[in-house]
Amino acid sequence: DAKTTQPNSMESNEEEPVHLPCNHSTISGTDYIHWYRQLPSQGPEYVIHGLTSNVNNRMASLAIAEDRKSSTLILHRATLRDAAVYYCILMSMNYGGATNKLIFGTGTLLAVQP
Amino acid sequence: GAGVSQSPSNKVTEKGKDVELRCDPISGHTALYWYRQSLGQGLEFLIYFQGNSAPDKSGLPSDRFSAERTGGSVSTLTIQRTQQEDSAVYLCASSLSGQGAFEKLFFGSGTQLSVL
Repeated sequence: DAKTTQPNSMESNEEEPVHLPCNHSTISGTDYIHWYRQLPSQGPEYVIHGLTSNVNNRMASLAIAEDRKSSTLILHRATLRDAAVYYCILMSMNYGGATNKLIFGTGTLLAVQP
Repeated sequence: GAGVSQSPSNKVTEKGKDVELRCDPISGHTALYWYRQSLGQGLEFLIYFQGNSAPDKSGLPSDRFSAERTGGSVSTLTIQRTQQEDSAVYLCASSLSGQGAFEKLFFGSGTQLSVL
């Protein structure tokens, strides 16, 4: 599985935008980029995913570099509730029989200051 | 239920005892995954089910760990002769088919296992 690299931690102020970077220089053409986050004492929750084009949903935006070797998760207005560990994960297409599992790295711990 | 349900939420056991952890996936989800997360660590994949079969058991740390799934629904993770290093949060997730790279996984809140 292709590997991702994220900063260990980041800080943000409440109501300001947050840009969480992820490098994935060995990404293959069929790998999807997924972001999950884990709030304290909870299981991970899905945030967003994309393949080539930028994506928006109610939680966040995902900006994908043209060469796909990096991506950025954008939280438009951070709230205290957004304090969590954010994981950037690559998932490959399952061509029959292979496990469609997520391999989690260490993620980025986001602290949000009031 | 609406989400993935795990029970018990907390389990305290003595070293050497067997424990069973239960996972109820989202109804209709054919893929089911077990992960564990030790204190301050990342999530470690344990096993993947497609229906009732487990084509990927590569993450099970030893033969003391086993899992089964019945009726394409409920799964049980069993740890025999528990050791202190088994203490962790055990997380279960499910997804619709397990076949697409664009699928979302839905996680339960986990079972906190403490081995004394």
